Amino acid sequence: DQQVKQNSPSLSVQEGRISILNCDYTNSMFDYFLWYKKYPAEGPTFLISISSIKDKNEDGRFTVFLNKSAKHLSLHIVPSQPGDSAVYFCAAMSSGSGYALNFGKGTSLLVTP
Amino acid sequence: DAGVIQSPRHEVTEMGQEVTLRCKPISGHNSLFWYRQTMMRGLELLIYFNNNVPIDDSGMPEDRFSAKMPNASFSTLKIQPSEPRDSAVYFCASSLKTGNSPLHFGNGTRLTVT
Repeated sequence: DQQVKQNSPSLSVQEGRISILNCDYTNSMFDYFLWYKKYPAEGPTFLISISSIKDKNEDGRFTVFLNKSAKHLSLHIVPSQPGDSAVYFCAAMSSGSGYALNFGKGTSLLVTP
Repeated sequence: DAGVIQSPRHEVTEMGQEVTLRCKPISGHNSLFWYRQTMMRGLELLIYFNNNVPIDDSGMPEDRFSAKMPNASFSTLKIQPSEPRDSAVYFCASSLKTGNSPLHFGNGTRLTVT
């Protein structure tokens, strides 16, 4: 069963605009959430994370929002750049039951000039 | 920091053959993870180790799959015998088992079983 879901397989955004990638989870024990970025032929690389005690975390152009009641998180990229074109994976973990990450299937973001 | 190193990058083998994937984690990291990526199932956790000890192998699909970590700097994932449905990209990742340190992934091994 997929405990982390990314329902949009792909997203296309114009350069300079905001990209919003969404993620839903089902396991209420998850208390730490991460976004990874993946280019072709490379492994996923860590982008940004958020603990369940927060509802927002910002790092430069990237902001992650967490809505625990809705079991939903989102990644905002603003302004979007062509180099942001990649597959973005949402991941979640429960600190109390080991440190293994559960991943969504990813959203492929294309930022067009 | 050389990152997580996986070998080979590509492996093509015939059904029934044994396949061994290798991983060298980042020095100092004490947790190691094997993931498999397919179109249908995305990134699935197969097994992970803490301090060279397997902690959770519930993701290993069948007895044909086995993983070892003989020391802190090396791990293998073996498939014997391999089947066409094992074709996927296999990623190794490592992390510090302290707090919520993120996983660092290798570039993966693309396995094709014909």
